Amino acid sequence: QVQLVQSGAEVKKPGASVKVSCRASGYTFTTYTIHWVRQAPGQRLEWMGWINTGNGNTKYSQQFQGRVTITRDTSASTAYMELSSLRSEDTAVYYCARVYSSAWYFGYWGQGTLVTVSS
Amino acid sequence: QSALTQPPSASGSPGQSVTISCTGTSSDVGGYNYVSWYQQHPGKAPKLMIYEVTKRPSGVPDRFSGSKSGNTASLTVSGLQAEDEADYYCSSYAGGNNVVFGGGTKLTVL
Repeated sequence: QVQLVQSGAEVKKPGASVKVSCRASGYTFTTYTIHWVRQAPGQRLEWMGWINTGNGNTKYSQQFQGRVTITRDTSASTAYMELSSLRSEDTAVYYCARVYSSAWYFGYWGQGTLVTVSS
Repeated sequence: QSALTQPPSASGSPGQSVTISCTGTSSDVGGYNYVSWYQQHPGKAPKLMIYEVTKRPSGVPDRFSGSKSGNTASLTVSGLQAEDEADYYCSSYAGGNNVVFGGGTKLTVL
């Protein structure tokens, strides 16, 4: 069965960077796009961007452009999301999500990774 | 892109039906048939309930249905059950390889 397993919780200081991993199993990794979505405490879901796991092409939300980098390691069936210049407002649960069939909806989600930004 | 507009809350009694709206623009909801709906229980990851406006993934009860008219999409939950109490988010393709989510609706089963 499809599984996405994310790395553990992180605590970072303002100005630092964080890199969250998302290891996929149960399917051919390079076949389906992976997106990243975040959710601040008590807030809505926010789409951050995606990576074509086959060719490595990426697209980022304008809101995070310049601060987010999504990469993948096909040999490890793992996608990564790195967010830089962290500020307190970046405290959130970060999810990876695999598309269901088309590129624009998400049928499989990781368990989420809590990133806390605090001095 | 601006977030899609959803009512903050909705409620209904067990057995009743409730409809949640999701309003966007002609650049997202109205322009593409890539509206999806997600159910999220507290502390859990979202779960896909509806995709491509009206389709249900396998395993999702047929009590859940979706529709769209113009720039507004809707999720209807019929025969409300206690386990339907959750947050619901709509999402849409927004052109230019972008995706946008709604603000979320807290559904309460009275």
